[in-house]
Amino acid sequence: AQTVTQSQPEMSVQEAETVTLSCTYDTSESDYYLFWYKQPPSRQMILVIRQEAYKQQNATENRFSVNFQKAAKSFSLKISDSQLGDAAMYFCAFLDSGGSNYKLTFGKGTLLTVNP
Amino acid sequence: DSGVTQTPKHLITATGQRVTLRCSPRSGDLSVYWYQQSLDQGLQFLIQYYNGEERAKGNILERFSAQQFPDLHSELNLSSLELGDSALYFCASRRTGWLWDEQYFGPGTRLTVT
Repeated sequence: AQTVTQSQPEMSVQEAETVTLSCTYDTSESDYYLFWYKQPPSRQMILVIRQEAYKQQNATENRFSVNFQKAAKSFSLKISDSQLGDAAMYFCAFLDSGGSNYKLTFGKGTLLTVNP
Repeated sequence: DSGVTQTPKHLITATGQRVTLRCSPRSGDLSVYWYQQSLDQGLQFLIQYYNGEERAKGNILERFSAQQFPDLHSELNLSSLELGDSALYFCASRRTGWLWDEQYFGPGTRLTVT
């Protein structure tokens, strides 16, 4: 079974600074997707960014980018120019293609605080 | 707004009771996933339906069941409720069964068992 590990339960960053959230995963599959989801206090799950395992180029979405190291099974999220609205719980997730059900396996989450 | 709706938003009930959570997927989405988010277990996959048929089961208790109806909405039934069933229950929908297709999450139903 796939596992996703987020080793940082909490992180904090100053507004306008850069922060990196870590995620490692374990899988024997070669084709998969990785995601970062944001969960603000409203509890809505919001997709931040996704990475296809077959793509060597790291995904970027505005101020959000990832560092995907397939051999190391590492998938970190970098948030540049942090804003107060970035404060949320961030979940790393692995898309499991086994059996074609494509369920998401989530890490435990990292609570990000943004200080003004 | 993801286009996925869940009702009710909040539910408070007593131990031993039975509740039904409802999910309406985005228009045209055939797959529905149910996830449970609790403080101790985190976010866990419960069950998936595709076009009315059960496709996969995760960590779903025998006291829980689900179904997807011909109009593609889905219901998650929780019975003999225990205090530990208190959690946020998410539904997510997906258009196809393909790996690259994104899952869209609903706003969740918060269940409190007293």
